[in-house]
Amino acid sequence: EVQLLESGGGLVQPGGFLRLSCAASGFTFSNYALNWVRQAPGKGLEWVSGISGSGNSTFYTDSVKGRFTISRDNSKNTLYLQMSSLRAEDTAVYYCAKEYYDILTGFYTGDYWGQGILVTVSS
Amino acid sequence: SYELTQPPSVSVSPGQTARITCSGDALPKKYAYWYQQKSGQVPVLVIYEDSKRPSGIPERFSGSSSGTMATLTISGAQVEDEADYYCYSTDSSGHYSVFGGGTKVTVL
Repeated sequence: EVQLLESGGGLVQPGGFLRLSCAASGFTFSNYALNWVRQAPGKGLEWVSGISGSGNSTFYTDSVKGRFTISRDNSKNTLYLQMSSLRAEDTAVYYCAKEYYDILTGFYTGDYWGQGILVTVSS
Repeated sequence: SYELTQPPSVSVSPGQTARITCSGDALPKKYAYWYQQKSGQVPVLVIYEDSKRPSGIPERFSGSSSGTMATLTISGAQVEDEADYYCYSTDSSGHYSVFGGGTKVTVL
């Protein structure tokens, strides 16, 4: 069974730093790209960042470029999101999500998200 | 930056058909995916690769795509289909993903 479990959220002051983690199980971790998606209170879904299976390629939405860093440790089956220079508008529930396709086979293997973790940026 | 455009809301009577559109310049070359999100819950994928239905999703959900527009259709909408629906795709490079703004579907 595929499981994704986020941790590391909480309350942080504007300008502060936070690191989210997402522990994965139930699939061959390095065979899948991974994403972070967020949802501000009462707002829609927003793709934040993505990383390739090897970790060599990373991508960010414009609003977090230069402030957030996505990374992964394939030996620990864990995805990370380092967030710095946090702003009030970064307040959201952050989800980690597994990409749909196995990198090696190209096959669709389903859609899986974690339960989400709340990040609140406030003084 | 790339954008996907959806109508903010759609209303339909029970048993009628609801159609939600999603427009984006890269859709002729990139698949659209559709998510259903009920209040306080994790989004659920209802359509992938424009028109395929994941296991467990009712047959009343269908998808299509033509040119720069993808469409999610709920045939015979049920009260339990009330939710926010989001389209999802990538830009032409395939590296940057984006969600549409979401469409609130009301069934009453």
